[in-house]
Formats: sequence, C-alpha cells, structure tokens
Amino acid sequence: AQSVTQLGSHVSVSEGALVLLRCNYSSSVPPYLFWYVQYPNQGLQLLLKYTTGATLVKGINGFEAEFKKSETSFHLTKPSAHMSDAAEYFCAVSDSGGYQKVTFGTGTKLQVIP
Amino acid sequence: DAMVIQNPRYQVTQFGKPVTLSCSQTLNHNVMYWYQQKSSQAPKLLFHYYDKDFNNEADTPDNFQSRRPNTSFCFLDIRSPGLGDAAMYLCATSISGGPDTQYFGPGTRLTVL
Repeated sequence: AQSVTQLGSHVSVSEGALVLLRCNYSSSVPPYLFWYVQYPNQGLQLLLKYTTGATLVKGINGFEAEFKKSETSFHLTKPSAHMSDAAEYFCAVSDSGGYQKVTFGTGTKLQVIP
Repeated sequence: DAMVIQNPRYQVTQFGKPVTLSCSQTLNHNVMYWYQQKSSQAPKLLFHYYDKDFNNEADTPDNFQSRRPNTSFCFLDIRSPGLGDAAMYLCATSISGGPDTQYFGPGTRLTVL
C-alpha cells in the first residue's frame, strides 16, 4: 500500500530564509507525487506534481521539489520565504497504472516569522 | 471562473439528526471525491464517483452515503451523525483520477452538538 510521511508537523522559518518541507513516500510501483497547499478555511490547491520525466519539478509561487528514487523522497523547497507562504502543506502519493487513489500525508504547518 | 462550490460552508447539526452536504462543479470533470479532514490530520477519502460509478472506501462507515444525480452535483449524506463525525468535509474533482490534479472546494465544517 502506498503512503507518505511528512517529517515535522510544524516548521518555522524567517522571512527570506530557505523553506524545506520533507516528504518520504512508500510505493510498490513508480509513484505519482504531489504537493498541495491549504490556507486557513480553504480547500487544498495543487503546488506541483511529479508524474514522469524530469525529477526536478517547478510549481507555483516559486516552490520546487525533487523526486529522488534512491531516497524515496520528494522534499519541497523555496529559496526565500514570504509571509504569504504561511499555510499547511500536504504531500501526497498515487500509484501509477490505471486509476489509483491519492493518499495524503498528515501535513506540515509552515510559520513565517517577520 | 470554473470552480468547485460547497454549501454550506458551516453546518451545525444535532447528534443523530441526518444532514446533507452539497458540492457542485463547473469544471465538467468526470471524477468527484468526498474527503473527511479532522483537525491536524490528513484528508481521508470517503468515496468517489467516476461518472456514475460509485466507489466506496473499505473503511468508510455505513453512516456515510453519497449521491451524484448529474455531472455537476454530488451530495454527502450522514444518516445519524455522531460526535466523532465533526470535521471538515472536502469535495474535489479531477478529470480522470490517478495522476490528475484534484481541484478542491473550500470545504464544509460540520459541528455535531
């Protein structure tokens, strides 16, 4: 069964500092990987996703993530945090091949300190 | 703008009193999902529709039912809400599932008194 583990339920960074949110996955077949963001009292919004091809994926709002098969990781980064990045971030995985449901991690709340 | 709409945004019901949450979409997507999200937890898939085909997750309680009368609308019925059913309920859509982006509505926060 597929699963994701997000290390750190809360992460604090200073405005302008590097953002690094960690995600490790488990999948018996090549995975599809996603990062979603959730602002307070809103639904989830896709930041980026990896399906096939280039392992470095660029998303919206300056975020990017790198698929590392050897490490079973898909960490999310942003070079410089903005106040508007404060939100909850969810990593998710889906097995490739036909329809497969998406399994979400437990989320990481990002706090940006002025 | 094409979007996913959930009504109401906040719903209060009494223990054991049936409640229906609604979701509509203007994206014309084939797949509609219902998730339950409790505080500080991952969204948990309850069920989804691929067109008219209903797919129930194995661990979804019988207390939860769903209807999709047409492409645009999908309803979540909770027949006898318990205190443990208080949560945010998220509706999402995608073109065909799997690697496709899911588009989420803003959610309905259910309170059970």
